[in-house]
Amino acid sequence: NAGVTQTPKFQVLKTGQSMTLQCAQDMNHEYMSWYRQDPGMGLRLIHYSVGAGITDQGEVPNGYNVSRSTTEDFPLRLLSAAPSQTSVYFCASSYRPSSTDTQYFGPGTRLTVL
Amino acid sequence: AQSVSQHNHHVILSEAASLELGCNYSYGGTVNLFWYVQYPGQHLQLLLKYFSGDPLVKGIKGFEAEFIKSKFSFNLRKPSVQWSDTAEYFCAVNPLGGQTGANNLFFGTGTRLTVIP
Repeated sequence: NAGVTQTPKFQVLKTGQSMTLQCAQDMNHEYMSWYRQDPGMGLRLIHYSVGAGITDQGEVPNGYNVSRSTTEDFPLRLLSAAPSQTSVYFCASSYRPSSTDTQYFGPGTRLTVL
Repeated sequence: AQSVSQHNHHVILSEAASLELGCNYSYGGTVNLFWYVQYPGQHLQLLLKYFSGDPLVKGIKGFEAEFIKSKFSFNLRKPSVQWSDTAEYFCAVNPLGGQTGANNLFFGTGTRLTVIP
């Protein structure tokens, strides 16, 4: 298994540009989520999904969209990037949407918005 | 506001020293508790978790943590650190019930541990 994969690893955007951060897992996990990690603030939940076709907002959803058309993929879209979205983004997944199931994290995408 | 606090931002220890990293949370109901570790250049990975039962839980690489419900704390300990323990450590909480999603975690700000050989 490749586990949780994220692309790209690094990205630089200009303010107002849009882009999609990709996340995929090959473990047939129902639950997937996106976090952002900022210095001094730990990881904060952006959006999550408990299964294909089902998504919901986390702590900091503004400026981000998600969809879950397949079990494997959970892309995160920035519609109009802002400097405040400069961060490291982590995708995570678990077999079931239950905290008794271990979450597996991807390697992260470091995004800089100029 | 509900939160997870890690008061130690950066801890520097010599090899063989004992480690204790603090974690306090402010959620009033039942919670599941976790410690994650991020080694330099690597993914976050689970160190240990507490769901119920014995409040002293053991994890990988000789780490353990104690849940003290009355203090809303879940401190991480290791009797003797090694240079390879140099990493960032995150405490995380999953509040059960209410509107919180299924496996959603609330993280502390992290503690960077540097172990000097």
